[in-house]
Amino acid sequence: ELKVEQNPLFLSMQEGKNYTIYCNYSTTSDRLYWYRQDPGKSLESLFVLLSNGAVKQEGRLMASLDTKARLSTLHITAAVHDLSATYFCAVDTPLNSGTYKYIFGTGTRLKVLA
Amino acid sequence: SQTIHQWPATLVQPVGSPLSLECTVEGTSNPNLYWYRQAAGRGLQLLFYSVGIGQISSEVPQNLSASRPQDRQFILSSKKLLLSDSGFYLCAWSPAGLSWEQYFGPGTRLTVT
Repeated sequence: ELKVEQNPLFLSMQEGKNYTIYCNYSTTSDRLYWYRQDPGKSLESLFVLLSNGAVKQEGRLMASLDTKARLSTLHITAAVHDLSATYFCAVDTPLNSGTYKYIFGTGTRLKVLA
Repeated sequence: SQTIHQWPATLVQPVGSPLSLECTVEGTSNPNLYWYRQAAGRGLQLLFYSVGIGQISSEVPQNLSASRPQDRQFILSSKKLLLSDSGFYLCAWSPAGLSWEQYFGPGTRLTVT
């Protein structure tokens, strides 16, 4: 069974600090997704990582993918309060019908303190 | 451009009552459609998916059912809700064929009391 694990589950950090969220998955997958979710809201797509060694950056967030290690990281640089949210990683796995389903991690709840 | 709608946004229902959640997609034809559920404090889990009208596949055994009466309409139903059905329900779509990128709707928050 494909599993996706994130750590930490909870992260409280000071503004201006750096931190990394880790996402491990249990079987081969070509793609990895990062999402942000604010309380009561839907998922906001942050990054889609399509190959080994992929690195993408948007503002204070940078995501990378190592398919050999089955590991993705989401690095936060100089955190600001607006980054407070829950972050999910996900991988996709094929379904019999020729489409895919997403397997999500349990999420990392990030709280940035002023 | 494509848009996805979910109705209602929030719902509070007593145990044993029926349920109907609706998802519609605009701006595309023959999309693949998905229902995911997020239980409190957890990640999302795929419940149902559909690759065409009337074609429904279930991923997990449960108290819910799904239907696709029209090309761009996906409905999640229950005859009798359980407390464990509470959660945040997200509909998603992907382009027809072998497409890996899914686009999520705004979600429905269901509380069963």
